[in-house]
Amino acid sequence: KAGVTQTPRYLIKTRGQQVTLSCSPISGHRSVSWYQQTPGQGLQFLFEYFSETQRNKGNFPGRFSGRQFSNSRSEMNVSTLELGDSALYLCASSLGTRTNEQFFGPGTRLTVL
Amino acid sequence: GEDVEQSLFLSVREGDSSVINCTYTDSSSTYLYWYKQEPGAGLQLLTYIFSNMDMKQDQRLTVLLNKKDKHLSLRIADTQTGDSAIYFCAESITDGNKLVFGAGTILRVKS
Repeated sequence: KAGVTQTPRYLIKTRGQQVTLSCSPISGHRSVSWYQQTPGQGLQFLFEYFSETQRNKGNFPGRFSGRQFSNSRSEMNVSTLELGDSALYLCASSLGTRTNEQFFGPGTRLTVL
Repeated sequence: GEDVEQSLFLSVREGDSSVINCTYTDSSSTYLYWYKQEPGAGLQLLTYIFSNMDMKQDQRLTVLLNKKDKHLSLRIADTQTGDSAIYFCAESITDGNKLVFGAGTILRVKS
């Protein structure tokens, strides 16, 4: 069974630009969650999508948004990039059930210059 | 509130046991998880425990949960150099599919 895939793996952008990251979950998984990992703040929850609906949201500004498609693939978008948005963005997929076993992709490393 | 704390660093000799500790604050957490992250990689789910359990064993891994003290530990038996990584404790928050992570414990295994 293929794991969670994320594209691209690496991105370099400049301040003010916008970026779109993509995540393909494990086949059969309907829940996709996004996390930001930085040395200073650690792993922080961004949002979760389940069956194309945002089910939960973390404490991030509105510049961070996401969506999920009917095939469960998800994208997250960051507009008006700031230097502090440089991070590893991790996507996790799960069945969305209570045991909540989340399986993570390799991440997208975003660098904002 | 939501807060998970871990010690930052642990160094052990190859073949010894490693014990990584974690405390959490949300008494409504139903599941607690241990993840491993190697350099340049995502998170690998190692194991998880339901909050009504005291212990769970899976090969070299043993998870102990003290719900009264909100304390979770991960014991790795016969630690190998390949176990060197960052280990994250996480709790599942009831309001949806959200994990709250600790800052991670760097495990260094000396040969």
